[in-house]
Amino acid sequence: DIQMTQSPSTLSASVGDRVTITCRASDSISTWLAWYQQKPGKAPKLLIYKASSLDNGVPSRFSGGGSGTEFTLTISSLQPDDFATYYCQHYNSYWWTFGQGTKVEIK
Amino acid sequence: EVQLVESGGGLVKPGGSLRISCAASGFTFSSYYMNWVRQAPGKGLEWVSSISSSSNYIHYADSVKGRFTISRDNAKNSLYLQMSSLKAEDTAVYYCATRTPGNYDYWGQGTLVTVSS
Repeated sequence: DIQMTQSPSTLSASVGDRVTITCRASDSISTWLAWYQQKPGKAPKLLIYKASSLDNGVPSRFSGGGSGTEFTLTISSLQPDDFATYYCQHYNSYWWTFGQGTKVEIK
Repeated sequence: EVQLVESGGGLVKPGGSLRISCAASGFTFSSYYMNWVRQAPGKGLEWVSSISSSSNYIHYADSVKGRFTISRDNAKNSLYLQMSSLKAEDTAVYYCATRTPGNYDYWGQGTLVTVSS
């Protein structure tokens, strides 16, 4: 089974900072990767699919990159609404695998 | 408007059983794979199970294989998860969710299952 590993687990940053979260797959997954944002008590919200495609309505300060085994989620200028937990997800036709999550905290 | 509404969560004793449901509306439920994803208190997301549109293909996480059964009723636009031999570590919010081939992503609000004596 493919494992997904995110780093860091926690990230402290200030409004306006550029932040990058990394997700590594234990085997090549091409670009079958999504990124989610989750706030406390809420369902996850899709930000990016197919490694780099922005979902409808997601601000352009979010971007995704990578292929194979290494992927990144970058927030170009952190906004107050962006403090949340972020998950990468490998998906195929049959099942999903999530990373352990990265909590973005206010510095 | 697309809606996924989970129900049936509650408190159950270790070793007990529970069935949770997900009612879908606003999209062609019968056309898409559906999933259950859970989140233990203060923990990350864990995919639990998936079922194909016609129930021909079913998959489970190793952590629930042999104890949980996923099913669907396309006539009722409903998804189910029958959980048995429940353990304390099954305590979580359970979400039903899907992503269509067009990358439309839908999640319910979740239902809390608590396994405790």
